[in-house]
Amino acid sequence: GAVVSQHPSWVICKSGTSVKIECRSLDFQATTMFWYRQFPKQSLMLMATSNEGSKATYEQGVEKDKFLINHASLTLSTLTVTSAHPEDSSFYICSAAGGAGSYNEQFFGPGTRLTVL
Amino acid sequence: GQNIDQPTEMTATEGAIVQINCTYQTSGFNGLFWYQQHAGEAPTFLSYNVLDGLEEKGRFSSFLSRSKGYSYLLLKELQMKDSASYLCAVYGGGSYIPTFGRGTSLIVHP
Repeated sequence: GAVVSQHPSWVICKSGTSVKIECRSLDFQATTMFWYRQFPKQSLMLMATSNEGSKATYEQGVEKDKFLINHASLTLSTLTVTSAHPEDSSFYICSAAGGAGSYNEQFFGPGTRLTVL
Repeated sequence: GQNIDQPTEMTATEGAIVQINCTYQTSGFNGLFWYQQHAGEAPTFLSYNVLDGLEEKGRFSSFLSRSKGYSYLLLKELQMKDSASYLCAVYGGGSYIPTFGRGTSLIVHP
């Protein structure tokens, strides 16, 4: 299957700082990338969908000015959590579609665990 | 939107068979996925069903009935490493953006 990487895998930051998370499709061109957030013992919650070269589509309740998404190329999307607060602490996972899968399959990155102190 | 329901937790014995059910309500159904997620890791793909019937892949099988809005994941010859959360995800509303269920935490004990 296709490979998606995320960086960093974990980050600890102070309240009020901004954190950038990168998501890369390593061996295929991803026409669409998805950003999810997962709290402990909860399911994946879709935050936004981004297509290369266009503005991201945010899910209801997700603040686009707080969670900045940039999808500058077919292999890279970034999520920036601006002015992070402790309630933003979560597991952030990206996925990419448009690759080698036969079923519009999404390939998930390994996730980034964000802890805001 | 899509409503997806699956049991919160199940336990089973090593070597046994377990069936994890998923029911959903959606219009514009475009497919159903099952993913496995170990704690602290990202989900990994297990199966995809878009037509009715059973798809078998090694120890794992997945079944779909579109008319009933029902799917199940069948795990045979359970191993301790199968202890994980199993996520049911549906493409609905005519889109290819999945909606995930809350996941079923499977605990396999000796």
